[in-house]
Amino acid sequence: DTAVSQTPKYLVTQMGNDKSIKCEQNLGHDTMYWYKQDSKKFLKIMFSYNNKELIINETVPNRFSPKSPDKAHLNLHINSLELGDSAVYFCASSPRDREKLFFGSGTQLSVL
Amino acid sequence: GNSVTQMEGPVTLSEEAFLTINCTYTATGYPSLFWYVQYPGEGLQLLLKATKADDKGSNKGFEATYRKETTSFHLEKGSVQVSDSAVYFCALMGDFGNEKLTFGTGTRLTIIP
Repeated sequence: DTAVSQTPKYLVTQMGNDKSIKCEQNLGHDTMYWYKQDSKKFLKIMFSYNNKELIINETVPNRFSPKSPDKAHLNLHINSLELGDSAVYFCASSPRDREKLFFGSGTQLSVL
Repeated sequence: GNSVTQMEGPVTLSEEAFLTINCTYTATGYPSLFWYVQYPGEGLQLLLKATKADDKGSNKGFEATYRKETTSFHLEKGSVQVSDSAVYFCALMGDFGNEKLTFGTGTRLTIIP
């Protein structure tokens, strides 16, 4: 069973489009995250939700909107995609102490 | 704020060589320290951690010791294998509740047979 699963694995789209990435975890964790990893492997947190409540919102353009319908899901919607949004996006979850993160396998987004 | 500085890569070693990847940190208080590993095409996985000074984290032959006096958490392995080829991230979490993990920039390690 996959602990943290995100879809799609690859996403190729045109500039200006709107797209969503879905994430689900079956670990029973309360906290979920979205991270962005650029081409140099630099990993930056974007958002974190605890039990459906937003707790971390880093400096991210408001074209990015996370949505957590329940504590097992955290989806990421991106409006008006730009070239600079091309990256690998990782979903993660953690138990209450938030020290050990469990990552999904990533969504490679390419904006053309 | 908290920050992590780790050795720039890429690092290329021959199989059975000794590995060190340096990591130093800046944080107030007593953070917890971590090494995460990212194998090709996968998400990050926790490799090891240490939560207080002089603790040694270890897993899969890798070790790192929390050194408060030098604010370091260097990753070591005595004899690397081709399967250790991955990107390694040092990270810390502060000790003031509601903290997030702060990652270093990652070090790509390639082991050649």
